[in-house]
Amino acid sequence: EVQLVESGGGLVQPGRSMKLSCAASGFTFSNYGMAWVRQAPTKGLEWVATISYDGSSTYYRDSVKGRFTISRDNAKSTLYLQMNSLRSEDTATYYCTSNRYWGQGVMVTVSS
Amino acid sequence: DVVMTQTPPSLSVAIGQSVSISCKSSQSLVASDKNTYLNWLLQSPGRSPKRLIYQVSKLDSGVPDRFSGSGSEKDFTLKISRVEAEDLGVYYCLQGTHLPRTFGGGTKLELK
Repeated sequence: EVQLVESGGGLVQPGRSMKLSCAASGFTFSNYGMAWVRQAPTKGLEWVATISYDGSSTYYRDSVKGRFTISRDNAKSTLYLQMNSLRSEDTATYYCTSNRYWGQGVMVTVSS
Repeated sequence: DVVMTQTPPSLSVAIGQSVSISCKSSQSLVASDKNTYLNWLLQSPGRSPKRLIYQVSKLDSGVPDRFSGSGSEKDFTLKISRVEAEDLGVYYCLQGTHLPRTFGGGTKLELK
């Protein structure tokens, strides 16, 4: 059974940092590009960042470029999202996805 | 960025009824490899998104054949024949041809 399990969310003050993790199992993680997608409360889905299967290529939406870093450890089958200089508008549920499969999501709240 | 315009924003249906959802893109979604990367997702209440259809018309395994996707270039449609209670939720189209990836605004399918 494929599983994507996010962790690392919570409440953080504006300007601070947070790192999300996504542990993958049930498929060959190292064969697939991965992405983070977020959903602000009561809003639609918004793509955040994508990383290639081997980590050699990364892409970000403009609003997070320079603040967020997507990375992966294929030996651990884990995807990461390092989020720096967090803003209130980053408040959302963050999902990791292989495109085919989605995690259950982790909530990030940026507030003082 | 490619804008995905999804209509209608909401649909009220009776069980057993058939419905269609439209998704129009601001640019052609035909990629350089000649494939068209247009997905349909369903987010059931309180759940993470689930992919139903990829590359316009290919059903993911386990998805009932009541669901069908069609379209080309910039104009796409999701059809649900004989709606069942488990089909209720918010449907999103997602283009995977261009970066950044972009979602439609969603169509909320509710019971009449």
